[in-house]
Amino acid sequence: GAVVSQHPSWVICKSGTSVKIECRSLDFQATTMFWYRQFPKQSLMLMATSNEGSKATYEQGVEKDKFLINHASLTLSTLTVTSAHPEDSSFYICSASVGTGGTPYEQYFGPGTRLTVT
Amino acid sequence: SQELEQSPQSLIVQEGKNLTINCTSSKTLYGLYWYKQKYGEGLIFLMMLQKGGEEKSHEKITAKLDEKKQQSSLHITASQPSHAGIYLCGADYNTDKLIFGTGTRLQVFP
Repeated sequence: GAVVSQHPSWVICKSGTSVKIECRSLDFQATTMFWYRQFPKQSLMLMATSNEGSKATYEQGVEKDKFLINHASLTLSTLTVTSAHPEDSSFYICSASVGTGGTPYEQYFGPGTRLTVT
Repeated sequence: SQELEQSPQSLIVQEGKNLTINCTSSKTLYGLYWYKQKYGEGLIFLMMLQKGGEEKSHEKITAKLDEKKQQSSLHITASQPSHAGIYLCGADYNTDKLIFGTGTRLQVFP
């Protein structure tokens, strides 16, 4: 159980275009979803936290107008990279949780999406 | 400065050898999570530690959280090529999110 999928697994886009990445919890309802970014040989950096039905909370330094997050349902969150540039090329990983915060809870991670902007 | 530091950054060991990865926090942990990641893939949950002095084992991997809840270690006994990957610790500081360590890249050669 507790499977999280991401689509697409990899995408190549031209500079200036927008790309949407989907994150789905397949067998559970996710109260909270997280979006991370990972550069080569580096750790995961949290970009934003989203709760179903409310606006995402972005980490300091993350442009909310560039990285649009929508958490429309308890099983789906999307990350849209708008007007992508080569520096946005990265590995994006989402995670989903049934926790409501305040106490430790497990996050279930998706397999990641590799974005390359040419 | 990084809240969560892992050491070493990379490790190359011969198959069959034991190894230890450390994760040190600059402040008290409410919980500490260990994950394994293969290059270009998602994270696989290994273990979660919450109590000071707690120790958990799964197959040949043992994780411990010190009494002060600021340091954790991950120990692999008799390493195998299947243990190769990136090991990440994640800290719960009671803020609804996980903060990840710098990661340790493990290679195991025959």
